Amino acid sequence: TQLLEQSPQFLSIQEGENLTVYCNSSSVFSSLQWYRQEPGEGPVLLVTVVTGGEVKKLKRLTFQFGDARKDSSLHITAAQPGDTGLYLCAGSNQAGTALIFGKGTTLSVSS
Amino acid sequence: SQTIHQWPATLVQPVGSPLSLECTVEGTSNPNLYWYRQAAGRGLQLLFYSVGIGQISSEVPQNLSASRPQDRQFILSSKKLLLSDSGFYLCAWSIGLAGPYEQYFGPGTRLTVT
Repeated sequence: TQLLEQSPQFLSIQEGENLTVYCNSSSVFSSLQWYRQEPGEGPVLLVTVVTGGEVKKLKRLTFQFGDARKDSSLHITAAQPGDTGLYLCAGSNQAGTALIFGKGTTLSVSS
Repeated sequence: SQTIHQWPATLVQPVGSPLSLECTVEGTSNPNLYWYRQAAGRGLQLLFYSVGIGQISSEVPQNLSASRPQDRQFILSSKKLLLSDSGFYLCAWSIGLAGPYEQYFGPGTRLTVT
């Protein structure tokens, strides 16, 4: 069974701090995606990483795909209150018919 | 551009009553469509997916069913709701069955069964 484990589960920080959240699996994924979800809304796709070792940047957010394509990380520099939300990683199942989601990291950034 | 709609946004239903949630996609053809349930702001559980009209695959045995009467319409139903059916229901779409396999989500329906 393919599983994605995210850590930490909860993270509460002050504005301006840096943070990293992790998404790990014992399975290889052809690609991984990161989503952000705000309360009462649907998840919004942030990025897709496809190649082992790939690094993508989205303003203050840096995403990395592990060399073996089993893990990924999301680093936020100088966090702002607008970064608050639930961050979900997801990867395609082996059949290629659906996404497997991690349970998410809830981030709270206070000013 | 593509958009996805879900309604209603919020629903409160008594135990034993029927359910119908609707999802429609605009701006694309032959999308793959998905229904997810999310409990208490945590990860998403895939309920159903569809790769075409009338084609439904169920991931989890449950009190719910899904139908796809039109190319861009996906409906989640139940004949008799249970308390455990409460949750946040999300519809999503994607294109193709290969590649990065990105999914795009609707705004969700908050269902409370009383």
